[in-house]
Amino acid sequence: AQSVTQPDIHITVSEGASLELRCNYSYGATPYLFWYVQSPGQGLQLLLKYFSGDTLVQGIKGFEAEFKRSQSSFNLRKPSVHWSDAAEYFCAVGPMEYGNKLVFGAGTILRVKS
Amino acid sequence: DTGVSQNPRHKITKRGQNVTFRCDPISEHNRLYWYRQTLGQGPEFLTYFQNEAQLEKSRLLSDRFSAERPKGSFSTLEIQRTEQGDSAMYLCASSHRDGTYNEQFFGPGTRLTVL
Repeated sequence: AQSVTQPDIHITVSEGASLELRCNYSYGATPYLFWYVQSPGQGLQLLLKYFSGDTLVQGIKGFEAEFKRSQSSFNLRKPSVHWSDAAEYFCAVGPMEYGNKLVFGAGTILRVKS
Repeated sequence: DTGVSQNPRHKITKRGQNVTFRCDPISEHNRLYWYRQTLGQGPEFLTYFQNEAQLEKSRLLSDRFSAERPKGSFSTLEIQRTEQGDSAMYLCASSHRDGTYNEQFFGPGTRLTVL
């Protein structure tokens, strides 16, 4: 069965510090991988996605993620966090088929302290 | 393009009542998805449509739940005889199938509280 694990429920970082959010997945084949961000009262916004090719993908808002097949991981990183990055972050996997359902992790809440 | 919209944004109802939510996808998006998100969890897939056809339903979608997309544009999600366990955020997303995997764009959600 497909599953996504985000081991950290909450993470607190200082503004300007680097960030890494962890994501591990279980999937029968090479999946499509996604990171979404959700701010209070807002819908989910796609930060970045991995389909194939270069395992380091760049996204919006200065985020990047690295796909490591051997570790079944797709960790999200940002070199310098801004206070506006405080939100909940979700990792998701989807099948390599046209636009089918996504399986999400439970999310990681990021707090940024000034 | 105004994005995916959902109405109402909040709904409070008493146990046993029926509720209906509406989702308006991005125009010309032919795929529409419903997800449910409970507190402390990520969204869980409920069902999706391609045009007006409902192609897949999750086992989470009990017989009290019904979704429609009658003209392949907006969609409604109805919950009959609501239970307290139905309290959640109901998210709608849309995408366009054009031969590649396309991003699902999410609406702001409808938060349901069942008293």
